[in-house]
Amino acid sequence: KAGVTQTPRYLIKTRGQQVTLSCSPISGHRSVSWYQQTPGQGLQFLFEYFSETQRNKGNFPGRFSGRQFSNSRSEMNVSTLELGDSALYLCASSDRASGANVLTFGAGSRLTVL
Amino acid sequence: EDQVTQSPEALRLQEGESSSLNCSYTVSGLRGLFWYRQDPGKGPEFLFTLYSAGEEKEKERLKATLTKKESFLHITAPKPEDSATYLCAVRTQGGSEKLVFGKGTKLTVNP
Repeated sequence: KAGVTQTPRYLIKTRGQQVTLSCSPISGHRSVSWYQQTPGQGLQFLFEYFSETQRNKGNFPGRFSGRQFSNSRSEMNVSTLELGDSALYLCASSDRASGANVLTFGAGSRLTVL
Repeated sequence: EDQVTQSPEALRLQEGESSSLNCSYTVSGLRGLFWYRQDPGKGPEFLFTLYSAGEEKEKERLKATLTKKESFLHITAPKPEDSATYLCAVRTQGGSEKLVFGKGTKLTVNP
């Protein structure tokens, strides 16, 4: 089985711009979660999508948003970028229906905001 | 508020020198404790899930244990390839897949 695929792997943006990150889950997995990882805060939960619906949201401002498509692929968007948004953004998928609930992570998208 | 604390932040071992990593947690209702390994430039890789106090799981040189307040990741006779950051996370009550992570322990094993 192919793993979780995230694109792009690296990107550089300037303050005020917006960015869209993409995640393709493991085939058959319908739950996709997003996390932000920084050296100071570690991994922090952004949101989870299941069957195209947001199921839970972390404590991030409204500039962070996401969506999920009918094929379970997901995108997250960050608008009006700030320097503090520089981080590794990780996507994880799981087979929610099976009850195993193990998150499988992608390699991440490294965002640098200048 | 659910919290996960890992210690130590960093640990240096000589090859073959066994040790343990600690993960203490305070949660409203535990629905699983997870251990992940993360190598530089990569996403976390799943190691173990533990669900109830007294449970133990093993994989090669790693053994994870769980009590009502904490979990330990025991590393027996480590090798340089075990060098990585080890992350502990908990899933709490509710229908979400959300995990609350600790900040990790960076393990370095010197040959």
